Amino acid sequence: EAQVTQNPRYLITVTGKKLTVTCSQNMNHEYMSWYRQDPGLGLRQIYYSMNVEVTDKGDVPEGYKVSRKEKRNFPLILESPSPNQTSLYFCASSLGEAGGSSYNEQFFGPGTRLTVL
Amino acid sequence: AQKVTQAQTEISVVEKEDVTLDCVYETRDTTYYLFWYKQPPSGELVFLIRRNSFDEQNEISGRYSWNFQKSTSSFNFTITASQVVDSAVYFCALSNYQLIWGAGTKLIIKP
Repeated sequence: EAQVTQNPRYLITVTGKKLTVTCSQNMNHEYMSWYRQDPGLGLRQIYYSMNVEVTDKGDVPEGYKVSRKEKRNFPLILESPSPNQTSLYFCASSLGEAGGSSYNEQFFGPGTRLTVL
Repeated sequence: AQKVTQAQTEISVVEKEDVTLDCVYETRDTTYYLFWYKQPPSGELVFLIRRNSFDEQNEISGRYSWNFQKSTSSFNFTITASQVVDSAVYFCALSNYQLIWGAGTKLIIKP
């Protein structure tokens, strides 16, 4: 089954304790992205990746890191989480396309609800 | 600057009523795509439709229809004969290299 998986689905942690949220897709998509969803703000892009070893900042990259060593995986790393990073996080992937990978339908993971105390 | 505005924060209707969700966008680009996604109470994001800027034909899919008007920069979504299962948050999004999301409209369908 074609899908994007994220782990963990729920996480409660404390300020400053490094954490990683994993994201994996099995559709051979070039484009992957991380979003955070906050009430009243819709989804905001954190980082995206057009292909292996190519990553770029989205609208709200501060406090986050990503890596794309393999096509299928795109982990999100919070080196020193803070309470303002409490949010619902989505990973997404789509086919790459000349002119703009975000032109294509994005397939979303189930979301990770993170609480930072 | 690119922007998507969904002015209706929350809409509540009784089942079987028709309901329209508004989406107004801003962009200076001539090539772009517009999307609608649905987020049911379970939380996942479900793709509904993609429309490119050169195709202004309206689209109908069952009880769902979309009205794209470049003259007013709008891409509105109508649900005909709404059902309780349509209750969700609906997002409109604009794409040109980056996907810009509206804040979403929470739709409540009461039985």
